Amino acid sequence: QITLKESGPTLVKPTETLTLTCSFSGFSLTTDGVGVGWIRQPPGKALEWLALIYWDDDKRYIPSLKSRLIITKDTSKHQVVLTVTNMDPVDTATYFCVHSAGVGSSRQFDSWGQGTLVTVSS
Amino acid sequence: QSVLTQPPSVSGAPGQRVTISCTGSSSNVGAGFDVHWYQQLPGTAPKLLIYANTNRPSGVPDRFSGSKSATSASLAITGLQAEDEADYYCQSYDSRLSAWVFGGGTKLTVL
Repeated sequence: QITLKESGPTLVKPTETLTLTCSFSGFSLTTDGVGVGWIRQPPGKALEWLALIYWDDDKRYIPSLKSRLIITKDTSKHQVVLTVTNMDPVDTATYFCVHSAGVGSSRQFDSWGQGTLVTVSS
Repeated sequence: QSVLTQPPSVSGAPGQRVTISCTGSSSNVGAGFDVHWYQQLPGTAPKLLIYANTNRPSGVPDRFSGSKSATSASLAITGLQAEDEADYYCQSYDSRLSAWVFGGGTKLTVL
């Protein structure tokens, strides 16, 4: 059974850096084809994919935010970390950690963490 | 403005059939990338409902089905139940944006 859980601050100030940790179990991030990603959802709005890290350490970022995002993994700790720099109130959202499977770019997000709400406010 | 277009809302009475459309373009659905569907119950994380256009993960009732053609996809729900009231999102990959993209979401109301 795959489980993922997000952890990190619930409140950050504008211009600060957000660091979120995804702790997972039930799979290995060294297995061919596996990826772990981050998706966010502003209150009352749609889902937005942010970043994905593959088993081979290849990384993908949403182009519009690429300069502000860093995704890393620690396979021994079964963790993936997302860093978002220069936070702004528009970044207020629930951030979800997801397990990704599938072929090439036609992949789905088949397991989700419960999400963590991050509010950006001074 | 989402890359994949969904109707904001649909509704149906218990037992009825409803469909939710997801319209893309030649850089995503029309380029052959698979469409996946997610169900988000109020206050919870999304759950994968349909993957690779037509496939149901284990545990998803066969009342839910997906289809894809040209630049669009559809989610059909038959035998509507009160517990189906949720937001539904389609998702694919866009080669022009080099990003995984979601539709704007459709709120299903069971009357």
